[in-house]
Amino acid sequence: DTGVSQDPRHKITKRGQNVTFRCDPISEHNRLYWYRQTLGQGPEFLTYFQNEAQLEKSRLLSDRFSAERPKGSFSTLEIQRTEQGDSAMYLCASSVDGARGTDTQYFGPGTRLTVL
Amino acid sequence: AQKVTQAQTEISVVEKEDVTLDCVYETRDTTYYLFWYKQPPSGELVFLIRRNSFDEQNEISGRYSWNFQKSTSSFNFTITASQVVDSAVYFCALTPNYGGSQGNLIFGKGTKLSVKP
Repeated sequence: DTGVSQDPRHKITKRGQNVTFRCDPISEHNRLYWYRQTLGQGPEFLTYFQNEAQLEKSRLLSDRFSAERPKGSFSTLEIQRTEQGDSAMYLCASSVDGARGTDTQYFGPGTRLTVL
Repeated sequence: AQKVTQAQTEISVVEKEDVTLDCVYETRDTTYYLFWYKQPPSGELVFLIRRNSFDEQNEISGRYSWNFQKSTSSFNFTITASQVVDSAVYFCALTPNYGGSQGNLIFGKGTKLSVKP
């Protein structure tokens, strides 16, 4: 039984470049969440999907951010024209919705982004 | 507005001491879930416990115990006989309960626990 996986684990990029992260949820988990965590802070919600539908987006998710979950399985988070303020740990979590299970969110190891 | 406050930024104890991590929350929802997660130095958030707002029974799991008091909006976490492996950042989190289904998690800023041998 594999957990949530994320790729890459670390990404260093120059300001202005585009980056894309991938998250593979626990199999059969129909909900997928993205969070961002900066140093010394708790994770902050960005967006979440139920199956392939993006149901909620935080105000933190500026126009430069886009997330997809095309087939209701893995998800990608893209940041265009990165800024130094985007440097953070990007965490993915998955769960089974309440009607089908306990709905507890299980987290992946995160992708640490550094923008130079 | 929903908010989780973990007033203790850092705690340092010596192995075998008991330690309590405080969590105070604010919400206008009548039903909600509370959580504790552990984040070791490796960075991955590890789920520890989920508590439904309807269930105010305290829970014990090995050396871990949780005290949920709705009257004071607190959900405190105690580690008994701490061990070096307990060293991590611990996060308390809240989410509304939408008829059995939860929304996104609202986290506190975390408490960094250091257990020294």
